[in-house]
Amino acid sequence: NAGVTQTPKFRVLKTGQSMTLLCAQDMNHEYMYWYRQDPGMGLRLIHYSVGEGTTAKGEVPDGYNVSRLKKQNFLLGLESAAPSQTSVYFCASTGAGEQYFGPGTRLTVT
Amino acid sequence: GEDVEQSLFLSVREGDSSVINCTYTDSSSTYLYWYKQEPGAGLQLLTYIFSNMDMKQDQRLTVLLNKKDKHLSLRIADTQTGDSAIYFCAEITASGGSYIPTFGRGTSLIVHP
Repeated sequence: NAGVTQTPKFRVLKTGQSMTLLCAQDMNHEYMYWYRQDPGMGLRLIHYSVGEGTTAKGEVPDGYNVSRLKKQNFLLGLESAAPSQTSVYFCASTGAGEQYFGPGTRLTVT
Repeated sequence: GEDVEQSLFLSVREGDSSVINCTYTDSSSTYLYWYKQEPGAGLQLLTYIFSNMDMKQDQRLTVLLNKKDKHLSLRIADTQTGDSAIYFCAEITASGGSYIPTFGRGTSLIVHP
């Protein structure tokens, strides 16, 4: 039981490049979330999903897209990276009231 | 304004008790959580409490919930240097059938000898 895993752990992008962050959970949770964490800002919700095939916008969705084609996976895409998207990205899943986080992806956009 | 508020810093001496406080505004909160984040790591779920409970104890951790004042606290007994971390308070409310977590900005706990 690996819990919530994220790949990659680190990435450096140039402005305008695209990439996809992968989140996987093996707890059969319905709810999954993508957050970004910036100094002094706490955690901000980007997008979330309440089940396979569904996605919804969170607090800061602009510049990001998501997909939940399989229940265990939640993908976060950046189509055209900007320096403002430099951050640490966390995925989480919730089941039976318990929310578990992945280890994070540190993304730098130059 | 913020939906979940915490003080930013707390400094305690090793062996003392630490009390980290949190206030929230949504009276329909279902679950309230405490997470610990060590440097360079993700958030680790420490404990959580249902909104219909007043208190929960788990080894050195005691969570108190005052629903009337919308106040949540985390007490760490016999604080150790390994407890130094950022502690996040969070609440989940049901919004249109979806459970949307809201986090505080975190309290940095510094434990000194």
